[in-house]
Amino acid sequence: TAGITQAPTSQILAAGRSMTLRCTQDMRHNAMYWYRQDLGLGLRLIHYSNTAGTTGKGEVPDGYSVSRANTDDFPLTLASAVPSQTSVYFCASSDWRGSANTGELFFGEGSRLTVL
Amino acid sequence: DAKTTQPPSMDCAEGRAANLPCNHSTISGNEYVYWYRQIHSQGPQYIIHGLKNNETNEMASLIITEDRKSSTLILPHATLRDTAVYYCIVRGTSGTYKYIFGTGTRLKVLA
Repeated sequence: TAGITQAPTSQILAAGRSMTLRCTQDMRHNAMYWYRQDLGLGLRLIHYSNTAGTTGKGEVPDGYSVSRANTDDFPLTLASAVPSQTSVYFCASSDWRGSANTGELFFGEGSRLTVL
Repeated sequence: DAKTTQPPSMDCAEGRAANLPCNHSTISGNEYVYWYRQIHSQGPQYIIHGLKNNETNEMASLIITEDRKSSTLILPHATLRDTAVYYCIVRGTSGTYKYIFGTGTRLKVLA
């Protein structure tokens, strides 16, 4: 099973350019998340979505936007990239509906973004 | 969302039990405690979670204090492959369902 697929795996981007990181899940999970992880630090929540059609701000939302048009896709857009957005970005999903679901987070492999 | 506090680093001898503490003194009654670990730059991996009772699975045990203000993750027989950063997080059962990671504990298992 694919689980969570992120693309691209790595990208070098000029400052001021826009970029969309793609995230797709095939588990029909209701919730999806975007995190960033800077070198040597923990994960920080950027945006999240509890269900298709809704999104919310995490700890560090500035400079990023998301959409959740359907259950499977949760793209993250940088409208005008800045060097401080150089980071590894992880997409995750979870489902807590029903007693069989543990609410466990499933992560993608990450997208490494360098903004020059 | 309740905050968690973990020691930044710990060492453990291979084959011994690794006990990783987590403080979550502001936890509310409907918030679960989750543990994840991250090996190198991979995505974090789920280990275990619990609400009130102690839990055990094939990877680890989770001991939650009676007042639920702290918990301990136990890796019963640590191996070199358990060297990783371990994160303790709390998550509610209503509202926004945000998973907020702290800085975690960097566990180094020594040969």
